[in-house]
Amino acid sequence: DGGITQSPKYLFRKEGQNVTLSCEQNLNHDAMYWYRQDPGQGLRLIYYSQIVNDFQKGDIAEGYSVSREKKESFPLTVTSAQKNPTAFYLCASSIDTGELFFGEGSRLTVL
Amino acid sequence: AQSVTQLDSHVSVSEGTPVLLRCNYSSSYSPSLFWYVQHPNKGLQLLLKYTSAATLVKGINGFEAEFKKSETSFHLTKPSAHMSDAAEYVCVVSSNDYKLSFGAGTTVTVRA
Repeated sequence: DGGITQSPKYLFRKEGQNVTLSCEQNLNHDAMYWYRQDPGQGLRLIYYSQIVNDFQKGDIAEGYSVSREKKESFPLTVTSAQKNPTAFYLCASSIDTGELFFGEGSRLTVL
Repeated sequence: AQSVTQLDSHVSVSEGTPVLLRCNYSSSYSPSLFWYVQHPNKGLQLLLKYTSAATLVKGINGFEAEFKKSETSFHLTKPSAHMSDAAEYVCVVSSNDYKLSFGAGTTVTVRA
């Protein structure tokens, strides 16, 4: 079955640590996205990539980094510079219609 | 610029009664509009989408939405709520360059 796989589903981090969230898709989509979801707020775009080896900052990119070395993979690193990283992170991909296909999400908690 | 406003943060209905979730948008372009459903600790799943074809759009699980350009609205409805409809519903607008704006979400609870 085609889809998007995010891992881990739950992750705990100590302050000062970097963590990387994995996102893999087998839908053959060119575009991939990372969103952050906080209670009572709409999804906010962290980074997006429209083709391999290229990515763009979204609205809240500070404290995050990404890479896009393969079409199928778009990992997100939450660095120690991110002041409030506790959130639910969603990865998505799309073709050119604006319709997004989402993964199941990763919940990051800072201890 | 574009934006989305979901007019209700929480809607509570009895099982078997109609559901109405309201969404207003603003967009400088002819928008594409989407409704997604999200269950707890899950990703978003597409319910339906409007992309400049018929203004009344039918989606999965008995949901439908009507695009009203004059009212800049894209309200989601279902004639008869089921317990399994309890979830978060998110309205999304997409402009010509495929930038997306997300509503804050409406939480639906269904009473037995």
